[in-house]
Amino acid sequence: DIQMTQSPSSMSASLGDTVTINCLASQDIGNYLSWYQQKPGKSPKLMIYGATNLEDGVPSRFSGSRSGSDYSLTINSLGYDDEGIYHCHQYYEYPLTFGSGTKLEIK
Amino acid sequence: EVQLQQSGAELVKPGASVKLSCKTSGYTFSNYYMSWLKQMPGQNIEWIGNIYGGNGGTGYNQKFKGKATLTVDKSSSTAYMDLSSLTSEDSAVYFCARMVPTLYVMDAWGQGASVTVSS
Repeated sequence: DIQMTQSPSSMSASLGDTVTINCLASQDIGNYLSWYQQKPGKSPKLMIYGATNLEDGVPSRFSGSRSGSDYSLTINSLGYDDEGIYHCHQYYEYPLTFGSGTKLEIK
Repeated sequence: EVQLQQSGAELVKPGASVKLSCKTSGYTFSNYYMSWLKQMPGQNIEWIGNIYGGNGGTGYNQKFKGKATLTVDKSSSTAYMDLSSLTSEDSAVYFCARMVPTLYVMDAWGQGASVTVSS
């Protein structure tokens, strides 16, 4: 199975900051990488797909990038609504797999 | 508006089975796959398997073969997942998620259904 190593596991940032969350794939997954935001007691919400494509309705403050097998989610101008857990997910190969999640707290 | 409405929380005894449902609306059910996923506190989300709404064709994570059985009812645009021989390790929140056929992205999710296995 493809392992997705996500970092950091948690982070705290201030309003207006820019943060980056990383995900390393254990093998080549091309651009078959998505990012989800999950709030407590809710289902994951698709934010980015194809490594860099913004899902409809997601603020442009969110962006995704790729460098080889390293993938990043960057959030600019942090707001309170950005709090939650962010999951990376590969859909290049079955079984589909997820990272361990990054808990983002806004100070 | 695409909606996936899951059945409610379940409390079941060890060794029993449970059937979860995911009723959809707002899109053509038979044109999409439906995935099922498991989330336990503090652990990675796990993909259980998926089923094609058009013909009921399935694919499973090897880890969940024999544990989960996926079916669909096209007439009601509803997907189902049977979980059998339940143990405490099956206590989790289970999600259904629509998968876009060409992109293979899961773009819409149900609200989740909690399953608690306890005597």
